[in-house]
Amino acid sequence: DADVTQTPRNRITKTGKRIMLECSQTKGHDRMYWYRQDPGLGLRLIYYSFDVKDINKGEISDGYSVSRQAQAKFSLSLESAIPNQTALYFCATSDHRTSGTSGYRYFGPGTRLTVL
Amino acid sequence: QKEVEQDPGPLSVPEGAIVSLNCTYSNSAFQYFMWYRQYSRKGPELLMYTYSSGNKEDGRFTAQVDKSSKYISLFIRDSQPSDSATYLCAMSENSGYSTLTFGKGTMLLVSP
Repeated sequence: DADVTQTPRNRITKTGKRIMLECSQTKGHDRMYWYRQDPGLGLRLIYYSFDVKDINKGEISDGYSVSRQAQAKFSLSLESAIPNQTALYFCATSDHRTSGTSGYRYFGPGTRLTVL
Repeated sequence: QKEVEQDPGPLSVPEGAIVSLNCTYSNSAFQYFMWYRQYSRKGPELLMYTYSSGNKEDGRFTAQVDKSSKYISLFIRDSQPSDSATYLCAMSENSGYSTLTFGKGTMLLVSP
């Protein structure tokens, strides 16, 4: 979905390197999320942010950090990448301010990360 | 028992078939139920959204929720090859709740 963009789309890196994945959205949504998707494990929440000053850990935050630089930008960092962080990473947004829709997630196209 | 169970498939059907995709769940507090469709190498996209029990229809798609059985279904009528994708169910306890629990997805293959 062009409203949520992720960069890079593919990345191969080595163990121990610092990696940043970036997400931008033009939907005007207040909430942003980072998920990872692994075969057989489904989508798992890493971090989420209600607004620029409110960041929360998800179920698998260890080894990751995030920064909400602006309403529209949410980045995910792997401080020291390890092979088991090889996965497909998705950014998503939701709109809490519109009644009944905060359960929706609008996903970006994903970043395929490989850690060697 | 996992919170949301979904058969991974793949489910292979011929074009024109009626498809039934299902999820079971254990948390009786779930009230909002969603189905997402994910094409290969793409992000999931919201397909259907229902509240509490009952049916909701949108074109060839019907979402059904049976809270007494903790069971939700997505039916696809007149399935098309373009319906080939992975379908993920998702659910939450209330509309303002930030946590959305996803199933692992069922891969559907519709052959011409």
